[in-house]
Amino acid sequence: AQKVTQAQTEISVVEKEDVTLDCVYETRDTTYYLFWYKQPPSGELVFLIRRNSFDEQNEISGRYSWNFQKSTSSFNFTITASQVVDSAVYFCALSEATQGGSEKLVFGKGTKLTVNP
Amino acid sequence: EPEVTQTPSHQVTQMGQEVILRCVPISNHLYFYWYRQILGQKVEFLVSFYNNEISEKSEIFDDQFSVERPDGSNFTLKIRSTKLEDSAMYFCASSWGTSRLYEQYFGPGTRLTVT
Repeated sequence: AQKVTQAQTEISVVEKEDVTLDCVYETRDTTYYLFWYKQPPSGELVFLIRRNSFDEQNEISGRYSWNFQKSTSSFNFTITASQVVDSAVYFCALSEATQGGSEKLVFGKGTKLTVNP
Repeated sequence: EPEVTQTPSHQVTQMGQEVILRCVPISNHLYFYWYRQILGQKVEFLVSFYNNEISEKSEIFDDQFSVERPDGSNFTLKIRSTKLEDSAMYFCASSWGTSRLYEQYFGPGTRLTVT
């Protein structure tokens, strides 16, 4: 079965620091997708990125960047120059095919990031 | 931009009561999902639905749960006889196709409190 591990339960940083959130996954699929979601205190899930297992290029979007390393089954997320508004719980997720032909997302336990002013 | 909507945002019910959580997926999407998040824990898959039938369900999705697409726009999750442990945030999601090609869009969630 698929598994996503986010070993960091909580991280606290001071504004403008860089912070990296770790994600390690397990899968027997050769093709899979990885995701990051942000959950602010208001509770909704905000999609951040989807990455295909065939594409190992790192991705940068503004202050966010993602490092996908297939060799170590990791998909880490870095926030550069963190801001107070980045405070949230961040979930890493992995797509898993179901017997019915659809997909489901398998989530990690999340990392709670607190950015202090 | 199209979005998934869910009603109500917060539902309080007494143990043993039936609740129906409602979702309006994005209009041209074909796959529908329910996920659950107990407070402070991870998001867990409950069920996926395609072509008017359940594609997959998790161990959590027992006989107390059912899903329905009663018309062309709504997608509902019913809990027949709520238990205290059903208290959680319930997220609806939809996608045009399977998520390997198409992203699942999540609604804002319904917080269910069972007293």
